[in-house]
Amino acid sequence: RKEVEQDPGPFNVPEGATVAFNCTYSNSASQSFFWYRQDCRKEPKLLMSVYSSGNEDGRFTAQLNRASQYISLLIRDSKLSDSATYLCVVNFASGYSTLTFGKGTMLLVSP
Amino acid sequence: DGGITQSPKYLFRKEGQNVTLSCEQNLNHDAMYWYRQDPGQGLRLIYYSQIVNDFQKGDIAEGYSVSREKKESFPLTVTSAQKNPTAFYLCASSLDRNNYGYTFGSGTRLTVV
Repeated sequence: RKEVEQDPGPFNVPEGATVAFNCTYSNSASQSFFWYRQDCRKEPKLLMSVYSSGNEDGRFTAQLNRASQYISLLIRDSKLSDSATYLCVVNFASGYSTLTFGKGTMLLVSP
Repeated sequence: DGGITQSPKYLFRKEGQNVTLSCEQNLNHDAMYWYRQDPGQGLRLIYYSQIVNDFQKGDIAEGYSVSREKKESFPLTVTSAQKNPTAFYLCASSLDRNNYGYTFGSGTRLTVV
C-alpha cells in the first residue's frame, strides 16, 4: 500500500524561528521524494527534491532517512511568506509511475 | 513562456449534467495527470496518461472520463455518475521520467448547484 503520512499541524511559529516537518512513507523501495508548497486555494508548487545525501536551498534543508522511511524539511529564519501547507510527495516506483501526495502540514508564521 | 493552463477557473454544474475541464500544456511533457482535492484532504489521482492515445485509471476514476488525442491536451469530463463532484481539480504534467516531479496548472473549482 502506498501511504505518505504527515502531521497536519498547524505549526504556529514567530518570524525568525526554525521549524521542522517530518513525513513517513510506507514502501522502502520508494525511488524519489519531493516537498511541495501549496498556498491557500492555489496549486501545489515544487519546493525541492530530496536526495539521499540531503540537500539545501537557501533557508530550506531536506533530508531523507531510508532506513526509517522518513523525510524531513527544515526551515530556518521563518518569514511571513513561508505560511503555507507543505506537501510531502513520494514516487513509489522507478520510471513511469505516479506520485503519491501526503495531506500536508500547515505552517503559520506570525509577526 | 512554457506552462500548463487549466480552464475555466470556476465552473458551476447542475445536477445530472456532464462538464468538461480543459488542460493544455506547452512544456512538451509526455505524461499528464488529473487530481482531485477536497478541503483538508490530500490530492487523489483520477486518471493519468503517459503517452498519446493511452491513459490509465487512478484511485478514484469512477464517474470521470478522459481522452488524450494530442500530446498537449488532456481534458477531463465529470459525468453525472460522479455523485460528489464539488472539488478543486488539478491537472499536472511531467517529463517522461517522474524523478523531476510535476508541474501543476492553476486548477478548476467545480461546484454543483
